[in-house]
Amino acid sequence: AQRVTQPEKLLSVFKGAPVELKCNYSYSGSPELFWYVQYSRQRLQLLLRHISRESIKGFTADLNKGETSFHLKKPFAQEEDSAMYYCALSGEGSSNTGKLIFGQGTTLQVKP
Amino acid sequence: GAGVSQSPSNKVTEKGKDVELRCDPISGHTALYWYRQSLGQGLEFLIYFQGNSAPDKSGLPSDRFSAERTGGSVSTLTIQRTQQEDSAVYLCASSFLMRGDIQYFGAGTRLSVL
Repeated sequence: AQRVTQPEKLLSVFKGAPVELKCNYSYSGSPELFWYVQYSRQRLQLLLRHISRESIKGFTADLNKGETSFHLKKPFAQEEDSAMYYCALSGEGSSNTGKLIFGQGTTLQVKP
Repeated sequence: GAGVSQSPSNKVTEKGKDVELRCDPISGHTALYWYRQSLGQGLEFLIYFQGNSAPDKSGLPSDRFSAERTGGSVSTLTIQRTQQEDSAVYLCASSFLMRGDIQYFGAGTRLSVL
């Protein structure tokens, strides 16, 4: 079964501290992994996806197939990073519809 | 339009009534998805459209839920005989294709069933 696990409901850090939001997945094939973010009173939007291998707003995420993880990292948190972060998976295969399987989400709170 | 548009933004209804939620996707996007965001369940997939067809309805929680899409554009999610557990934010997303493509989300419809 496809499943995404985000073990932390809330992560609270001080400005300038490193951040790591954990994401583990369960999938038998080669999934596409994404991080979506929802800032206060804004709509859900894509932060980054593993196939792009890029850094967005200082965030990076590396797909570790051995550990089935896709943790989101940032070396120095900023107050504007405070938001809800969702890890999501999309399966493979011609019959796959592209639907996203989301984790439960982690609220990141960056304190001044 | 500039993005995915959903209406109404808020809907309060009485238990047992039917409700219709509307989604207007980004022009040219062939794939359309409905998700539900609730406190207890997080973000759950409901149904997927490719054009006007719905090849994946696996996430619809009961037969009280149905959806259609017309003209390869606007989609309507209908909930019949609403129950309190239907209270949630219903999100619509669209993309050009399917797997791996970026999904763009609407602002959602917050449904409250009293």
